[in-house]
Amino acid sequence: AQKVTQAQTEISVVEKEDVTLDCVYETRDTTYYLFWYKQPPSGELVFLIRRNSFDEQNEISGRYSWNFQKSTSSFNFTITASQVVDSAVYFCALSDPLRGYQKVTFGTGTKLQVIP
Amino acid sequence: EAQVTQNPRYLITVTGKKLTVTCSQNMNHEYMSWYRQDPGLGLRQIYYSMNVEVTDKGDVPEGYKVSRKEKRNFPLILESPSPNQTSLYFCASSATSGATDTQYFGPGTRLTVL
Repeated sequence: AQKVTQAQTEISVVEKEDVTLDCVYETRDTTYYLFWYKQPPSGELVFLIRRNSFDEQNEISGRYSWNFQKSTSSFNFTITASQVVDSAVYFCALSDPLRGYQKVTFGTGTKLQVIP
Repeated sequence: EAQVTQNPRYLITVTGKKLTVTCSQNMNHEYMSWYRQDPGLGLRQIYYSMNVEVTDKGDVPEGYKVSRKEKRNFPLILESPSPNQTSLYFCASSATSGATDTQYFGPGTRLTVL
């Protein structure tokens, strides 16, 4: 069975600090996708990234970066120079190859508070 | 503008009264999904669809039905709602399952079943 663990329930950082959100997953599949989503206080869900299990290159998008390590089954998300607008709940997720990778399992989320 | 719409946004109903939450996307996406969000449990997938007439169960399908008769619409049906289906529901769509494709979410439907 698929499982995604986000052990950090809540994190508080001061603005401009770097912060890493941890995500550890379990799967028996050799191919899968990993995701990160953001849910700001307004409640909408925002897709951030989808990563194929074959691609272990780190991804950077502006202040956001993702570190995928298959050896430790982790897909961590780092925000550099955090801003108040980064305050949100962040979800990590995993999909398996059944039905075109559309079956998705989520972690329980990490609430990030960036203090000005 | 690319968007996923859900209706209604808020609904209070009573146990046993059938209801439908509509979801529509204007991007000609093949893939659509329904999720529910509950405090402490995060997001859980209810159903997903890979194309017209192709649907499958997610992790929590009990008490729900879906249909995909047209590509743009993916309604969620609660035939006999119960209080444990009180939740925040999100619909989502994407073009393919490729690594570069963005997934779009609807604004959410907050359902209360009394």
